[in-house]
Amino acid sequence: EVQLLESGGGLVQPGGSLRLSCAASGFTFSNFVMNWVRQAPGKGLEWVSSISALRNNTYYVESVRGRFTISRDNSKNTLFLQMSSLRAEDTAVYFCAKVGGGYTDAFDTWGQGTMVTVSS
Amino acid sequence: EKVLTQSPATLSVSPGDRATLSCRASQNIGSNLAWYQQRPGQAPRLLIYGASRRATGIPARFSGSGSGTEFTLTITSLQSEDFAVYYCQQYNNWPRTFGQGTKVDIK
Repeated sequence: EVQLLESGGGLVQPGGSLRLSCAASGFTFSNFVMNWVRQAPGKGLEWVSSISALRNNTYYVESVRGRFTISRDNSKNTLFLQMSSLRAEDTAVYFCAKVGGGYTDAFDTWGQGTMVTVSS
Repeated sequence: EKVLTQSPATLSVSPGDRATLSCRASQNIGSNLAWYQQRPGQAPRLLIYGASRRATGIPARFSGSGSGTEFTLTITSLQSEDFAVYYCQQYNNWPRTFGQGTKVDIK
């Protein structure tokens, strides 16, 4: 069974840092583009970042560029999101998601999410 | 950036009726559009990709159509588990973008 399990969320002060992880299982992790999507409380979905299968290409929404860094460890089947200079508006549930792969770039599998709260 | 505009914001439907949701793109995205369903407290679930292809395990009452800038998600004979929020997403260009969502609730 394909599974994604996020961890690392929590309460952090404005200006602080946090690293999210997403453990993948049930598929060949190194073959797939991976993504982070967030959802602020009561709001819609916002794509945050993506990383290519071999880590040579990364993409970010403008609001996090220069503050967040996406990375992956294909030997450990794990996706990361290093977040720094956190702001109140970064408060959200963060989901990791994989693309379908050969048949689509849509996000066919999602984790359950991890909550990040930025507050003093 | 490709902006996606969904309408209506809320759709009130009776069980067993049909629901028609719209998603309009600010620029041509071909058929690179997906639809997701999100129930309260759950992660999104992929329903439709390539504008009209059902994802694995998705019931036939869900169908998608359109290309270019105008897209539609149709749910025939709504079941209780279909009352949820639906999002469209384009994956034609970076940044990936989502619509703001349509909530389908019980009339």
